Amino acid sequence: QSVLTQPPSVSAAPGQKVTISCSGSSSNIGNNYVSWYQQLPGTAPKLLIYDNNKRPSGIPDRFSGSKSGTSATLGITGLQTGDEADYYCGTWDSSLSAEVFGGGTKLTVL
Amino acid sequence: QVQLQESGPGLVKPSGTLSLTCAVSGGSISSSNWWSWVRQPPGKGLEWIGEIYHSGSTNYNPSLKSRVTISVDKSKNQFSLKLSSVTAADTAVYYCARGSTSHATWGQGTLVTVSS
Repeated sequence: QSVLTQPPSVSAAPGQKVTISCSGSSSNIGNNYVSWYQQLPGTAPKLLIYDNNKRPSGIPDRFSGSKSGTSATLGITGLQTGDEADYYCGTWDSSLSAEVFGGGTKLTVL
Repeated sequence: QVQLQESGPGLVKPSGTLSLTCAVSGGSISSSNWWSWVRQPPGKGLEWIGEIYHSGSTNYNPSLKSRVTISVDKSKNQFSLKLSSVTAADTAVYYCARGSTSHATWGQGTLVTVSS
């Protein structure tokens, strides 16, 4: 059971928009920055979003992040088949004194 | 561009110690960064193991703390993971990563299987 809760799967058609939620508590998301990672099959995770809504260099603006209270959301617009991957949220948990991740969300582009 | 490369045995016997090294290239391990270990059991999600600063300060996952040691070797520009008393539940792909809670760079990962 992960500390952060994500939906196991989401799906949408090419060109459409999808959002992935990440729910936590005041000890983690509520008081710390959230990061989002994309993991393509058989590869290492890749940082998509850091500090809730910032994109590293090279990440297209189709990817966006937001946070409200104890929840965070990853948005992806203009979906492409190449976006099919597992997506993870992560943050620091001040009560556990540990980094925590969501269980991951599998995105299917129909 | 910093790059990371994990190395170590791919097979460890139950009750033994898992030992992995992460070589840092394209930058100095003494830069202002934390260096982390994250693992992923087959078909499952990510689990943070712990992190180290170049000064030697460490933070460990409380669930693994009694079995984990992370160290840094500045002369070799690398950091290492030791996990003792391993069981089949420790079978996973082990990643090293740069940063603390925002990992901008990851190694390719190495599969470690715990089996006799």
